[in-house]
Amino acid sequence: DSGVTQTPKHLITATGQRVTLRCSPRSGDLSVYWYQQSLDQGLQFLIQYYNGEERAKGNILERFSAQQFPDLHSELNLSSLELGDSALYFCASSLGLAGEQDEQFFGPGTRLTVL
Amino acid sequence: AQSVAQPEDQVNVAEGNPLTVKCTYSVSGNPYLFWYVQYPNRGLQFLLKYITGDNLVKGSYGFEAEFNKSQTSFHLKKPSALVSDSALYFCAVRDGYNFNKFYFGSGTKLNVKP
Repeated sequence: DSGVTQTPKHLITATGQRVTLRCSPRSGDLSVYWYQQSLDQGLQFLIQYYNGEERAKGNILERFSAQQFPDLHSELNLSSLELGDSALYFCASSLGLAGEQDEQFFGPGTRLTVL
Repeated sequence: AQSVAQPEDQVNVAEGNPLTVKCTYSVSGNPYLFWYVQYPNRGLQFLLKYITGDNLVKGSYGFEAEFNKSQTSFHLKKPSALVSDSALYFCAVRDGYNFNKFYFGSGTKLNVKP
């Protein structure tokens, strides 16, 4: 158990809908990262927050947004969902900035199915 | 462009034999390289990383990786494979400009047979 929690574990919804995925980082970790894992595109970095501030953006669609709250939990909002958004969404956290010295700890993921 | 390539979708090895999972990278600046393992229905777990120093990096569960700058490779190795090593392995590299971005390879499925 990495200490990173993600809810819900599974989510089934319809095209055009909006969903919110939640991530609670390990206690004390200030950084949160979001990733999308799909069969055709592999593991893609979406976005990263450090202590409430966006620090890096990857291949995140405009229909997707995220934020990190004062208590350091993060939410990933996915709107106008399409079939192709079906994937496993991972959150990871690190104490500081993983690109400098800290290790990322991954949560178990949220499996999103868009019908 | 910055990227990571894992040329093998799958690697099969017999238990007790050495294993190698290949990774090559393309990145601006000094590479920070990582290996992660993913077991079924689980998140990724950190195995090891290369930042600087010795080209042979030792990590968790007896794994090690060899950094080769001239070949831009970071192959994962283990001297003696276990059936329990069977999993999906990902190589990753940190972006050379924004240190908070990471690029992952497509993953290599390791099958260790008894």
